Amino acid sequence: ETGVTQTPRHLVMGMTNKKSLKCEQHLGHNAMYWYKQSAKKPLELMFVYNFKEQTENNSVPSRFSPECPNSSHLFLHLHTLQPEDSALYLCASSQETWATEAFFGQGTRLTVV
Amino acid sequence: GENVEQHPSTLSVQEGDSAVIKCTYSDSASNYFPWYKQELGKRPQLIIDIRSNVGEKKDQRIAVTLNKTAKHFSLHITETQPEDSAVYFCAASDQTGANNLFFGTGTRLTVIP
Repeated sequence: ETGVTQTPRHLVMGMTNKKSLKCEQHLGHNAMYWYKQSAKKPLELMFVYNFKEQTENNSVPSRFSPECPNSSHLFLHLHTLQPEDSALYLCASSQETWATEAFFGQGTRLTVV
Repeated sequence: GENVEQHPSTLSVQEGDSAVIKCTYSDSASNYFPWYKQELGKRPQLIIDIRSNVGEKKDQRIAVTLNKTAKHFSLHITETQPEDSAVYFCAASDQTGANNLFFGTGTRLTVIP
């Protein structure tokens, strides 16, 4: 295990539902990330948090809302999603946001119906 | 931001042969180039990385080369084994602000026993 844990592993939700993805890291890292992994597309960076502060929002629709209450926890709140949002959502952490190894969680497989 | 292109998208080799995966990047200021391996149903994990102050790095059967002038870098796997079968992602750091990683589209490597 890399020390980055995501829950739930699988999630099926309707387009009108509200749900949250959770990520937790026990590595003492200062930076945390959300990535979206879709079939045949590169890993897409969504959000970056450094020392609990959001430093990057990669033009993500407002139906995705991140929250970082502390350096160890990261949430992704989901509301009114579309079927095309179905993907694997990966959380990652690193010591700093620059040029250091990113450790990934197992991901949450999200299906929007 | 950075644009990373990766080729080929799929690669099949006989066990014992070598495999080469190539990536190009667009931002000449990028300075960190990791490679991640993602086995089926598992999280991406770092296998090797290289920084722009070196041209080549080797770790047992895995090597990475970097050509800063041409803005491309490659992953070389020698004496391939069935357990090398996975999807490999290259990435490059973005020097604008937070140095976040931008990933290629991945290469699905199959090693045929």
